Amino acid sequence: EAGVAQSPRYKIIEKRQSVAFWCNPISGHATLYWYQQILGQGPKLLIQFQNNGVVDDSQLPKDRFSAERLKGVDSTLKIQPAKLEDSAVYLCASSSPGLARTDTQYFGPGTRLTVL
Amino acid sequence: AQSVAQPEDQVNVAEGNPLTVKCTYSVSGNPYLFWYVQYPNRGLQFLLKYITGDNLVKGSYGFEAEFNKSQTSFHLKKPSALVSDSALYFCAVRASGAGSYQLTFGKGTKLSVIP
Repeated sequence: EAGVAQSPRYKIIEKRQSVAFWCNPISGHATLYWYQQILGQGPKLLIQFQNNGVVDDSQLPKDRFSAERLKGVDSTLKIQPAKLEDSAVYLCASSSPGLARTDTQYFGPGTRLTVL
Repeated sequence: AQSVAQPEDQVNVAEGNPLTVKCTYSVSGNPYLFWYVQYPNRGLQFLLKYITGDNLVKGSYGFEAEFNKSQTSFHLKKPSALVSDSALYFCAVRASGAGSYQLTFGKGTKLSVIP
């Protein structure tokens, strides 16, 4: 079974530029998560999708971050404009079958973003 | 608000010795508890989880964890450490009831197994 795919693996941008990350979850997983992991910290949830609907985006900085999952499969996370403090690893995860609190989340390799 | 504490930033252990990585949690109601491992430049890999039942949970790669409700702890253990176990370990908690649906992670503990 293929795991969660993410691209790119690394990205370096200047502050105020925009950037987008892509995620393809494990086949059949209805729930998709985006996390931000700042160096020295644990992952922090940014947004959670169930199919193509948003379940939780309470910690997403909506003035600069946006995410979509139009067809209920792959997803894109965008930052516009980027700030220095956005430097982090962005992790995508997926789980199945639904919204059970016991579901295990499976993570992709992450995208390391450096904002200069 | 729910939270996870991993009191040790780093744990060093000699190869072949038993290892313990500590985790305590705070959550409303009963917890669901998870351990993940992260190798350099890779995402988090699931090791094990506690949902209900037996307080000793067995997981991947010979790891196990013991749930202690009175001490609100979920320590990760392995009887005999391998050099390949060297990595970053994260404990996470989720409320089983009406609390936050989010999975909340600790800051991580770096495990170094010395040959």
